[in-house]
Amino acid sequence: SQKIEQNSEALNIQEGKTATLTCNYTNYSPAYLQWYRQDPGRGPVFLLLIRENEKEKRKERLKVTFDTTLKQSLFHITASQPADSATYLCAPPRGGKLIFGQGTELSVKP
Amino acid sequence: NAGVTQTPKFQVLKTGQSMTLQCAQDMNHNSMYWYRQDPGMGLRLIYYSASEGTTDKGEVPNGYNVSRLNKREFSLRLESAAPSQTSVYFCASSELMGDTGELFFGEGSRLTVL
Repeated sequence: SQKIEQNSEALNIQEGKTATLTCNYTNYSPAYLQWYRQDPGRGPVFLLLIRENEKEKRKERLKVTFDTTLKQSLFHITASQPADSATYLCAPPRGGKLIFGQGTELSVKP
Repeated sequence: NAGVTQTPKFQVLKTGQSMTLQCAQDMNHNSMYWYRQDPGMGLRLIYYSASEGTTDKGEVPNGYNVSRLNKREFSLRLESAAPSQTSVYFCASSELMGDTGELFFGEGSRLTVL
């Protein structure tokens, strides 16, 4: 079956370090993948989209990679700040609809 | 601009009761969605409406019905609530389903079924 997997364990890092979150998908090949941020008690908010023909996409301190051979997307936050603490969700499409991973909780300590 | 507005924000029901979650968007989007979010399960698609006048089942439609009232509004109804429907429900909209456009989410409706 088609699956989307994110690291379910929370990621704890020190302020200023680079956070790297992983999204793996199996048994299908999405044409693109989106990343969202979700704060406690709030709805998800769109961050970035990367297409299958793009190896890397950047937006300010955010960088996303998309490896269609490994069936994996990596989400990086450089020079992380406590304000980056949140849950990050990957969402590739399936049948025209976005299907979300379970999310990885990031905690950035000062 | 309010974006996507959901009501109510909180609701407690008894098993067997019915209720409707309301969702409205003011972005003139064609497509609207209902997701539920449970710990460790991520967001799961319940129903969606690709355009006004159409609705379709998502991954977990059992126990729910929807109505696309007009282009702005998409409601989710629980006819006979069960404890397994305790969850946080999110409504979302996008310009056009199937393209690469982002989803805009509401703030969520927290439902507890006793």
